[in-house]
Amino acid sequence: KAGVTQTPRYLIKTRGQQVTLSCSPISGHRSVSWYQQTPGQGLQFLFEYFSETQRNKGNFPGRFSGRQFSNSRSEMNVSTLELGDSALYLCASSLSGWGYNEQFFGPGTRLTVL
Amino acid sequence: QKEVEQNSGPLSVPEGAIASLNCTYSDRGSQSFFWYRQYSGKSPELIMSIYSNGDKEDGRFTAQLNKASQYVSLLIRDSQPSDSATYLCAVNIMRGGSQGNLIFGKGTKLSVKP
Repeated sequence: KAGVTQTPRYLIKTRGQQVTLSCSPISGHRSVSWYQQTPGQGLQFLFEYFSETQRNKGNFPGRFSGRQFSNSRSEMNVSTLELGDSALYLCASSLSGWGYNEQFFGPGTRLTVL
Repeated sequence: QKEVEQNSGPLSVPEGAIASLNCTYSDRGSQSFFWYRQYSGKSPELIMSIYSNGDKEDGRFTAQLNKASQYVSLLIRDSQPSDSATYLCAVNIMRGGSQGNLIFGKGTKLSVKP
C-alpha cells in the first residue's frame, strides 16, 4: 500500500506571496492532519480534516487554511507569507482521526520564505 | 505547564545498551500515546502506539504507560547506531470531548556510539 504523498517537496517563496501544498493520504484513510515543524517550536498542529470538514484547528492565524476533497486528498494554503512561515509542513493520514487511530506522516514540504 | 514534555538530550548510549526515553503529559483524559522516530531531514515515522497501562513490546522496542503518573516511556534494547535519531512522544489530548489531533513533545535526540 502506498504511503502518504506530499507535493511539492521543496518550495521557495518571497514575503507576501501565497502558497498551496498538497497531500494524498494512504488509500482508505479519511482523516488528514497538517502540522508545522520548526527547530524552535517543534511539531505544531495546524488543522485536521475528515469527510471534507475541518474538525479541529490549532492556534495559527487565519492566513493558514485548508480543505479536503471527496477523494480525501487535502490542500493547505498560506496567504501573505511571512519569514516565520519557513518550516517543514507535514501531513499525516489516519483511518478516522479519532484517538485510537495511528497517524502516518508524508515526507513533508520544505517551505523557505525569503 | 507544557502539555507534553521530553528531555531534549542528547542521550548518548553505547552500542548494545538499553536506551530509555521518557515523556510526561499534562492532560489526565489522554487516551492514546505514540512514539515516533525522526531521522535528520526526514519526516516522523511511527514506531509504537500504546493505549493501556503497562508494557507493550515490539521487537527491540518496549513502550510503557502509567496513566496515574501521566508518564510514558520507550525502551530500546540492544541499541544500534542506526537507532540514532530524534524520538518524538505524541499524545492525543481531549479538547472539549473532541479528539483527532496529536500534541507532540519536542523530542529527545538519541546518539548510539559504536
